[in-house]
Formats: sequence, C-alpha cells, structure tokens
Amino acid sequence: AQSVTQLDSQVPVFEEAPVELRCNYSSSVSVYLFWYVQYPNQGLQLLLKYLSGSTLVESINGFEAEFNKSQTSFHLRKPSVHISDTAEYFCAVSVTGANNLFFGTGTRLTVIP
Amino acid sequence: DTGVSQDPRHKITKRGQNVTFRCDPISEHNRLYWYRQTLGQGPEFLTYFQNEAQLEKSRLLSDRFSAERPKGSFSTLEIQRTEQGDSAMYLCASSLEWGGPYEQYFGPGTRLTVT
Repeated sequence: AQSVTQLDSQVPVFEEAPVELRCNYSSSVSVYLFWYVQYPNQGLQLLLKYLSGSTLVESINGFEAEFNKSQTSFHLRKPSVHISDTAEYFCAVSVTGANNLFFGTGTRLTVIP
Repeated sequence: DTGVSQDPRHKITKRGQNVTFRCDPISEHNRLYWYRQTLGQGPEFLTYFQNEAQLEKSRLLSDRFSAERPKGSFSTLEIQRTEQGDSAMYLCASSLEWGGPYEQYFGPGTRLTVT
C-alpha cells in the first residue's frame, strides 16, 4: 500500500528566509510525486510534479523539489519565501496504473513579516 | 477554461437529511474524481469516473454515498441519512484521459456541516 508522510504539520518562517517542507513516501512500485498548494478559501492547485527524467523539478514561483529514490523523499524547498507563500502544502503520490492520488496530511507554511 | 466548479460551496444540514453536491469539470476533461478532506487531513479518494462510467470506488464510499455522471459531463455526489462524521470538505477534480491521474485540477470544494 502507498502512504505519504509529511512530518511537519506547521512551519513558521520569516520572510525572505529559506524553507524546506519534508515529504516521504512508501510504495513498492514506481510512483509519480506531486506538491499541491491550498491558499485560504481556495481549491488545491498543482505546484509541481515529478513524473520521470530529471529528479529536480521547479515551479514558476521559485519552489523546487527533488526526487530521492533511495531515501523515498520529495522535499519541497524555496530559497527565499514571501508573505504570499503562506498556505497549506500537500505532498501526494500516484502509483503507476492507479487512478487516484494519495495525499499527506499537509504542512501549513506561515511566513512571518 | 473556467476551471472546475462546485455547488454549493457550503451546506449545513441536520443529521438524517439527504444532501446532494454538484461538480462541473473542465469541459474537455473526461475523467472526474471525488475526494473528501476532513480537518487536519489531506484529501482522501472516494471515487472516479471516466466519461459516464464509474470505474473505481474507495472503501470510504459507504452505501449511503452515491455518485453519478449521467452524460459524462457534470457529476453529483449524494449522501443519504447524513451523520455527523460526514462533516468534511468534498472536493472534485478532473483530468484528461491521456494526461493520466497526475494532471488533476481541483475545484474549490463543498464544505458540509452536519449538525
């Protein structure tokens, strides 16, 4: 069975500081990995995804995540956060051939001015 | 592309009542998913349609829950005899068939409160 673990439920960080949101997964088969962001009172938005190829993937707003197969991790990082990055971030996994996503419990990122 | 829409955004009902939610996917998307999200948890998969066919159902989808997508466009999720444990955010997502399940676009959700 697949599972996703987000170790940090809340991460406060000062504006312009770097941040890392951790995500670990377990699966016995190949996976696709995703980060979704949920801003207050909005739906989930796809932030970035790893399907194949380069293990480092980037989003348009400065986030990046690296797929580490040996450590079964897909941590999300940003070198300098902005107030507007305050949101809930969900890591998700999809197993090859499956039709649904498995989500972690989410990490609430709060950027402090 | 107007995105995935859901109606209503909020629903308060008394225990034992039936409720129905609607989801309108992105127009060219033939796959549609329903998820449930409770407080402090990530979304959990409920069911999935490809066109009008319901191809997969989670164990979370008890017999009080029924979902339909009669013409392969919008979908409805009905909960009969609601219970307080049904209180949650119900999310709908859609995707293209050839995009796989990983290009899912989510709606804003319907928040259900059962009193």
